[in-house]
Order: sequence, then C-alpha cells, then structure tokens
Amino acid sequence: QSVLTQPPSASGTPGQRVTISCSGSTSNIGRNTVNWYLQVPGTAPKILIYNINQRPSGVPDRFSASKSGTSASLAISGLQSEDEAVYHCGAWDESLNDWVFGGGTMLTVL
Amino acid sequence: EVQLVESGGGLVQPGGSLRLSCAASGFTFSTYEMHWVRQAPGKGLEWLSYISSSGKSVNDADSVKGRFTISRDNAKNSLFLQMNSLRAEDTAVYYCTRESRSAIDGSGYFDYWGQGTLVTVSS
Repeated sequence: QSVLTQPPSASGTPGQRVTISCSGSTSNIGRNTVNWYLQVPGTAPKILIYNINQRPSGVPDRFSASKSGTSASLAISGLQSEDEAVYHCGAWDESLNDWVFGGGTMLTVL
Repeated sequence: EVQLVESGGGLVQPGGSLRLSCAASGFTFSTYEMHWVRQAPGKGLEWLSYISSSGKSVNDADSVKGRFTISRDNAKNSLFLQMNSLRAEDTAVYYCTRESRSAIDGSGYFDYWGQGTLVTVSS
C-alpha cells in the first residue's frame, strides 16, 4: 500500500491531453514539493518533473505539473506513442521521515 | 556523463545476506547524498535508505531498519547496501539513486538512477 495514491492506469490517443493525479496528505504533498518520475517498463525510473513544476533539461514542455493542497497532477499534452510508460509521483513525508511514492500510473497511448 | 551501476544482486535463501554495490562515475560522488530505492515485481517504488555526502548521517525505512545498512566509500566512489535477515518480501529490483537539490528552494529529488540489480529471496 503506497502512501501517495495514483490511479493504476490512464490512456489517451495521440495528440490528446492527459492528466495523472497524485493524492497525499498534509505531511507529504501538503507541506513539501512533488517530483514526478517516468519509467519505461523494464528500465530504471528517470526524473521528469521536480519541485512541483520544474523540468530538467531535455524534458519537452509538453510535460507540466501542478500542486494544490494535498494533491498534485501531471499533465501531458500532444500525447505521443513514446509517452507510453509508468509515471510515479514522489515527495518527502515529514511525519514518517521518509521519501514516499505513489503506486505508479501506467499510461497507454491508444 | 553521470553513471550509477549496481551489482551484487542474485538468489538468496530466506534468512540469508547479500551486499549490494553501486559504482558511481561522471560526478563528484563525495558531494552528493545517495539513496537506495527498490521496486517489487509489478509494484511501485519504495524508498529504503539515505546516506549523507560524508557518510556520517543515515536514515532507513521502518521496513528495513535493523536489517539493512547503507554505507559509502567516497575514496572509491561507491555506495553499498548490506542486507541481512532477508525475507521473501524483499524480492525486488534495487536501485541506487543520487539526490540533487532544487536551486529554487533546496528541495530534493532523485535525478539519476542506476539500472538496478535484482534480488530474489526464495528457498
């Protein structure tokens, strides 16, 4: 059981805009920044978004994220077939004194 | 180019021990905080252990506290995870990951990950 809650799956067609939610609590998302990681099945995770909405160099601006209260969301616009992957949210939890993650959302491009 | 390469995984019996290593290159290892994160088959990511850049401060998840020990050798650019009293539920791919800090507010994030090493605990 993951501390952060994500939908197990999401889908969209090429060119569409898709959002993935991540729900937490005051001790994690509520008081700290959220990071998003992308993982192509069978490979290691990669940083996609950090500090709520910052993109590392090389990440296209089709990817954006936001946070409100104890929830965060990742948006992917202009969906492409190569976006098919698992997306994980993560945050520091100051009550647990641990880094916590969501269970991951498998994005399928139809 | 930043590289993190894990090794040491394999098949081990319940109650056994294993030592994972992570060889770092392409950056000044001694200036970065490091972590171990694992992923059980078909599951999400689970943070396990943290070690400060000097190695003087560590923090472990409750699920591995007292059984796993994180350490580092800055002279050899290496990170380690000593795993004792292994259980079936420890079966997972184990990743070492580097923590970087946002220039905006200093918040942390895992910016580089190794390819992972598989640990299977089974009799």
